[in-house]
Amino acid sequence: AQSVAQPEDQVNVAEGNPLTVKCTYSVSGNPYLFWYVQYPNRGLQFLLKYITGDNLVKGSYGFEAEFNKSQTSFHLKKPSALVSDSALYFCAVRDPLSSTLGRLYFGRGTQLTVWP
Amino acid sequence: DGGITQSPKYLFRKEGQNVTLSCEQNLNHDAMYWYRQDPGQGLRLIYYSQIVNDFQKGDIAEGYSVSREKKESFPLTVTSAQKNPTAFYLCASSTLAGIAYNEQFFGPGTRLTVL
Repeated sequence: AQSVAQPEDQVNVAEGNPLTVKCTYSVSGNPYLFWYVQYPNRGLQFLLKYITGDNLVKGSYGFEAEFNKSQTSFHLKKPSALVSDSALYFCAVRDPLSSTLGRLYFGRGTQLTVWP
Repeated sequence: DGGITQSPKYLFRKEGQNVTLSCEQNLNHDAMYWYRQDPGQGLRLIYYSQIVNDFQKGDIAEGYSVSREKKESFPLTVTSAQKNPTAFYLCASSTLAGIAYNEQFFGPGTRLTVL
């Protein structure tokens, strides 16, 4: 069965410091992994994805994520946090061996707060 | 949120009423999805459709119904059988070509409150 875990409900970081939002996954095949961001009362915005190739993926707004197959993780990172990065972040996985190719499985979300 | 519109933004329902949430996309996407979002529970899939006139139940379909008569439209009806419908509802779409590795695009959401 496919699943995603975001072990931290909340992450707090000072502006200018690096940030990490954690994600681990479980799928039967090689995973396709995604990160989304959600601002209050808005839809989700796509940040980045890992399909294959380089384990370090760069995305929008200076975010990047590192795929680690041995640890089944796909942590989201940013070298220097901004107050405007404060939002709810979702990790999602798709199992290419699944009979329902389009389905994404989402984690519960991590609330990131960056204080000035 | 570009390309997918959801209406209304806020919706209030009395107990025992059916209500329909609209989702329209102009991205020419074949696949469309409905999710329910509750605080601390992430996104849960209600229904999805990959082609016109066909749709499948997701993980929490009970008390909901959908139709897919047109490629660009995927309305969701919340029926009186849904016991706890107060939530934020999100519609999404994606292409079918390369669907395994394509991201989904989300609408701005509809917040439904039962009075």
